[in-house]
Amino acid sequence: EPEVTQTPSHQVTQMGQEVILRCVPISNHLYFYWYRQILGQKVEFLVSFYNNEISEKSEIFDDQFSVERPDGSNFTLKIRSTKLEDSAMYFCASSPLMGDRGSKNIQYFGAGTRLSVL
Amino acid sequence: QKEVEQNSGPLSVPEGAIASLNCTYSDRVSQSFFWYRQYSGKSPELIMSIYSNGDKEDGRFTAQLNKASQYVSLLIRDSQPSDSATYLCAVNVSPNYGGSQGNLIFGKGTKLSVKP
Repeated sequence: EPEVTQTPSHQVTQMGQEVILRCVPISNHLYFYWYRQILGQKVEFLVSFYNNEISEKSEIFDDQFSVERPDGSNFTLKIRSTKLEDSAMYFCASSPLMGDRGSKNIQYFGAGTRLSVL
Repeated sequence: QKEVEQNSGPLSVPEGAIASLNCTYSDRVSQSFFWYRQYSGKSPELIMSIYSNGDKEDGRFTAQLNKASQYVSLLIRDSQPSDSATYLCAVNVSPNYGGSQGNLIFGKGTKLSVKP
């Protein structure tokens, strides 16, 4: 069964360093998302991406964050200068075109990248 | 502020019993509602989706939606120890426009423990 793939599973970095989290969405999906979950807290929306541009972003997604689809398969989240409070699980999700086989924005999540900022 | 509220639990039920999980949401224009299961340290896994008022059944799971009351529930029949996890209610809060399918707002989740 197709799945969303995320790498690495765990990223350790020093405060102030740049990190890039990678995702390979399900191949026929057109909408891509990043969410994060700080330990013990709720899953929070960061950004959605469609047709090579950001569709929506939350207040969390400030100038330190950026997303890119560098090729036909990868979807990346970059954090330019990490802070301690960026430590969290980062989940990538994808969904098919609205209405495809009756789906209504069903989002499928990858296994996540645990980011630890020291 | 659009909110999704869940009782954090823990909810403890004996094996074979019915587990009932509840969720309320604040945004009246929400169109799509989802239940995800999350094991500790893992990613959310979709259990059920529901879009219309009423009940939707899938195996041991039944989702119930009442848009007038802004209420979603999940019933798990014949609960098994493997059902022990945190159950996340998620609501799609944005109407479709342009390139947006909306994003998901999650509740904090209800921790379910099924005792053998």
